[in-house]
Amino acid sequence: GAGVSQSPRYKVAKRGQDVALRCDPISGHVSLFWYQQALGQGPEFLTYFQNEAQLDKSGLPSDRFFAERPEGSVSTLKIQRTQQEDSAVYLCASSVLRGLSPPGELFFGEGSRLTVL
Amino acid sequence: AQSVTQLGSHVSVSEGALVLLRCNYSSSVPPYLFWYVQYPNQGLQLLLKYTSAATLVKGINGFEAEFKKSETSFHLTKPSAHMSDAAEYFCAVTLEKTSYDKVIFGPGTSLSVIP
Repeated sequence: GAGVSQSPRYKVAKRGQDVALRCDPISGHVSLFWYQQALGQGPEFLTYFQNEAQLDKSGLPSDRFFAERPEGSVSTLKIQRTQQEDSAVYLCASSVLRGLSPPGELFFGEGSRLTVL
Repeated sequence: AQSVTQLGSHVSVSEGALVLLRCNYSSSVPPYLFWYVQYPNQGLQLLLKYTSAATLVKGINGFEAEFKKSETSFHLTKPSAHMSDAAEYFCAVTLEKTSYDKVIFGPGTSLSVIP
């Protein structure tokens, strides 16, 4: 597709369940980011991939959060044993790799809204 | 570490009035600055960006922002508000020294436009 695609758009999970959120970036975009956006807040950085390599996972809030991008395109964010505080919108963004030029634009998907009951 | 503050979590303006959304940044090195807009149930979309080429930056939909180093500010303005401008606006920053675009977002300002 032309833009970043995320699925599912909405997910309701019972506390303790595992969830998987998928991101399909723009074709050819090397960089892929995951952000967490709580209600009424700005997006918070979770993790960054350059192709299949996860270069920064400093924002992952706990070891229950795991992200992968095995073939350098589609990425999955997995949350194990979900807690109520995990309820948020999870945003995926992709961009071209920054070279010697100034930073470019992040292209965002519409997000996956996770509600943990 | 760099950070972004946005004064005013909610701003209301009348249709046709000036829009002013405030952003201040904290960074020990020259930053790159951005404004993103988020419409309901949608992802974020880039409005404009400052990358040191010019201090006054023009973006889409008639918005512009001015980088003022002495005030560490990057306020967003639009001369005349339109109903379609109602959305959430995020100021963001990234550092020149990072090898990738790790963008740090502010808390956001919700803009309402009154007919």
